[in-house]
Amino acid sequence: ETGVTQTPRHLVMGMTNKKSLKCEQHLGHNAMYWYKQSAKKPLELMFVYNFKEQTENNSVPSRFSPECPNSSHLFLHLHTLQPEDSALYLCASSPQSAPLLGTEAFFGQGTRLTVV
Amino acid sequence: AQKVTQAQTEISVVEKEDVTLDCVYETRDTTYYLFWYKQPPSGELVFLIRRNSFDEQNEISGRYSWNFQKSTSSFNFTITASQVVDSAVYFCALSGTSYGKLTFGQGTILTVHP
Repeated sequence: ETGVTQTPRHLVMGMTNKKSLKCEQHLGHNAMYWYKQSAKKPLELMFVYNFKEQTENNSVPSRFSPECPNSSHLFLHLHTLQPEDSALYLCASSPQSAPLLGTEAFFGQGTRLTVV
Repeated sequence: AQKVTQAQTEISVVEKEDVTLDCVYETRDTTYYLFWYKQPPSGELVFLIRRNSFDEQNEISGRYSWNFQKSTSSFNFTITASQVVDSAVYFCALSGTSYGKLTFGQGTILTVHP
């Protein structure tokens, strides 16, 4: 139990659907992250929020839309996804972000997303 | 730019064997941190260790040990007397002052057979 909870754990959606992934942490952290883990690829950092403000967007397509209403919650809204977007989406948190000097990130169990 | 390379994609060993997972990194920062994470089948990444660039002392924690060598830019991880429960994907990661986010290697899939 790392203190970071993601729901749902599994999601199957059609290319025309709209869905949202949820992440919650009660560790008192101020930074939250979305990572994408595809088969045979390194973890890709998608978005970073620091004190509820988005501080990084790594050229993520607009069909992924993050939302951070407060320091404890992070959402990833999905719409008109493609099959290649199928992956494990991991949320993480840390006390604060950049420069992240030596502070480890705590990860949730991920949402396994399948786009059909 | 920073980069982490884990050249071993998959390793398969028999229980009780020792196994070393390699990690090589690149960074222009003089101050940086190195990490190892374990990802069991349940999915979450579990933090194992953090090392800063000024501390080259090797570290041992139970059956786990880490060898940090700045001269070769390597931060290798050894599991002694491996067990089936060690089966997981292991990630090496780096964060430095110029890019404060974690940069991960591709991961090494370790399978320990009974």
